[in-house]
Amino acid sequence: DAGVIQSPRHEVTEMGQEVTLRCKPISGHNSLFWYRQTMMRGLELLIYFNNNVPIDDSGMPEDRFSAKMPNASFSTLKIQPSEPRDSAVYFCASSSQGASNQPQHFGDGTRLSIL
Amino acid sequence: AQSVTQLDSQVPVFEEAPVELRCNYSSSVSVYLFWYVQYPNQGLQLLLKYLSGSTLVESINGFEAEFNKSQTSFHLRKPSVHISDTAEYFCAVSRMDSSYKLIFGSGTRLLVRP
Repeated sequence: DAGVIQSPRHEVTEMGQEVTLRCKPISGHNSLFWYRQTMMRGLELLIYFNNNVPIDDSGMPEDRFSAKMPNASFSTLKIQPSEPRDSAVYFCASSSQGASNQPQHFGDGTRLSIL
Repeated sequence: AQSVTQLDSQVPVFEEAPVELRCNYSSSVSVYLFWYVQYPNQGLQLLLKYLSGSTLVESINGFEAEFNKSQTSFHLRKPSVHISDTAEYFCAVSRMDSSYKLIFGSGTRLLVRP
């Protein structure tokens, strides 16, 4: 079975540009998570979707960040405008049922560099 | 609130030596416990989990972890490490009475030397 698929794997862009990160969760999983990983802050949960509905977006840094899940097989995380401090590795993860005893399956991440 | 502490940011060890990666947690409610592993340039992968039952859980590649409720610990061990075990290891907890939210530790980088 295919795992969580993220694209692009690497993104380098200039400050002020719009950035869109994409995620395809594992088929049949109804919970999707976006994380950000940095050396300073470690792994941070940005937003959680259950059945395509955003349940918890308390980790979204500010209004420059937005996330959508138009259907069960696709999600985007958008940053507009981007800033150098947004540079990080962004992970998408999915799980079945969204229950706390279910493991989360991670994609390989998008390494974002904002110049 | 829950928190997870991994005191060792890096653990260097020689190949075939035993290793222990420490994890302590704090929670006012019962939790599920997980260890995830992250290889370079990859996402996190589940290594093992404790949900209930036997306090000793094992992974398919020789790691084991023991849940100690009195010491609120879930240390990860392997009796003999291999070069390929070099990776970052994350301990995580989630509340039994809640859904979805995983609280991660800061990670421990295991560096296996020949």
